[in-house]
Amino acid sequence: DGGITQSPKYLFRKEGQNVTLSCEQNLNHDAMYWYRQDPGQGLRLIYYSQIVNDFQKGDIAEGYSVSREKKESFPLTVTSAQKNPTAFYLCASRSTGYIEAFFGQGTRLTVV
Amino acid sequence: AQSVTQLDSHVSVSEGTPVLLRCNYSSSYSPSLFWYVQHPNKGLQLLLKYTSAATLVKGINGFEAEFKKSETSFHLTKPSAHMSDAAEYFCVVSDRAGGGADGLTFGKGTHLIIQP
Repeated sequence: DGGITQSPKYLFRKEGQNVTLSCEQNLNHDAMYWYRQDPGQGLRLIYYSQIVNDFQKGDIAEGYSVSREKKESFPLTVTSAQKNPTAFYLCASRSTGYIEAFFGQGTRLTVV
Repeated sequence: AQSVTQLDSHVSVSEGTPVLLRCNYSSSYSPSLFWYVQHPNKGLQLLLKYTSAATLVKGINGFEAEFKKSETSFHLTKPSAHMSDAAEYFCVVSDRAGGGADGLTFGKGTHLIIQP
């Protein structure tokens, strides 16, 4: 089955730690995205990538980093510089042949 | 620039009654419009999309939406609500195809509650 896989489903981070959220897609999509979701705020764009080895900041990139070494993978690192990382994180992908985005099942990150 | 306004943050209906979730948009170009559904702790699933073909769009699970350019609206409806419809719904606008972050703008969501 084609789709987007995010892992882990739940993640706990201690203060001052970096953590990495995984996103893998086998849809052969060129563009990939990371969104952050907080209650009542909809989805806010963190980073996006339209092609391998290139990515762009979104609206709330501070405290986050990404890489795009392979077409199918777009991991997100939440660094210690992100002061309020507790949220639901969604990865999405999109092809130039389709206008809609396809989403993973999300990762819930909690600071403990 | 494009924007999306979902007019209700919460909608509550009884099971078996009609559902109406309202969405207004603004776009400089001929937009494409989408409705997504999100169940708790899940990703977003595409319900339906409008891409400049028929203005009345039918989606999954009995939902449909009508694109009204004169009113800049894309309201989501369903004739009879089911308990399984309880979820968060997002209206999304895109004024171009393909990649690029600014191609997609999300509304803040409408929480649909179904009363037994």
